[in-house]
Amino acid sequence: GESVGLHLPTLSVQEGDNSIINCAYSNSASDYFIWYKQESGKGPQFIIDIRSNMDKRQGQRVTVLLNKTVKHLSLQIAATQPGDSAVYFCAENGVDSSYKLIFGSGTRLLVRP
Amino acid sequence: NAGVTQTPKFQVLKTGQSMTLQCAQDMNHNSMYWYRQDPGMGLRLIYYSASEGTTDKGEVPNGYNVSRLNKREFSLRLESAAPSQTSVYFCASTGATHAEAFFGQGTRLTVV
Repeated sequence: GESVGLHLPTLSVQEGDNSIINCAYSNSASDYFIWYKQESGKGPQFIIDIRSNMDKRQGQRVTVLLNKTVKHLSLQIAATQPGDSAVYFCAENGVDSSYKLIFGSGTRLLVRP
Repeated sequence: NAGVTQTPKFQVLKTGQSMTLQCAQDMNHNSMYWYRQDPGMGLRLIYYSASEGTTDKGEVPNGYNVSRLNKREFSLRLESAAPSQTSVYFCASTGATHAEAFFGQGTRLTVV
C-alpha cells in the first residue's frame, strides 16, 4: 500500500481508549477547519468540520475542538477501534474569502488490539 | 454515483515527457482541486478552481498547468516531467460549504 504516514508523528492507543489528535494552524482568517482520515492506498475522507465562529462540534464518536486564541485544533475519538487506524490530517478552507483548501500536518494513529 | 474519478491510476514517464491527468466529478460541485502527496508527507495544493471558468495557483504550482474544461472536469498537465514530480496526485471537489471534499482514488506517477 501507499507509504503515507511513514515519516509522520505517530499516536499509539489501546483499543477502547480515547484518542486525541492535535493540529496547530497558522491562518486566523480561515472559515472552516476540517479533519480528514486517510487509509493506506486511498484518498482522504472527510470526518468532521467546524466553522470559525464555533469552539466545539460533536459527531458520531468524534469531537472537534477549536481554540482560536492559540490557533489549535483537536480531534477526539471516543472508544478507539482498530478501524480507526489511519493517518489524520487537519485542513482549513475559506482563507481570505477564497475556496483554497489547505492541508496541515498529519498524525498516524495506531490502535493496539 | 461515481463521485470523483481520476485517470490513469498509474503512469511512468521519462524525464521531459508530457502528460495530462484527467479528473471528473458527477456531484455538480463548483470547486475542484489538484494535490500532490509525496511519501510520508501531507497533501500540497497545486491548483484549484473555485468555479467553472476560473483557476488559481495553490502552494506548489510550478511545472504544472490546469484546465477547467467544464463544471465536471478539471485536468492537470505536466508539460515536461521531472523526477521531482514523482508523487501521488489526488483530485478533489467540494460542494456548497467548501469544507467536505470528495477525493478521487489517486494517480501514482513515477518520472524516471
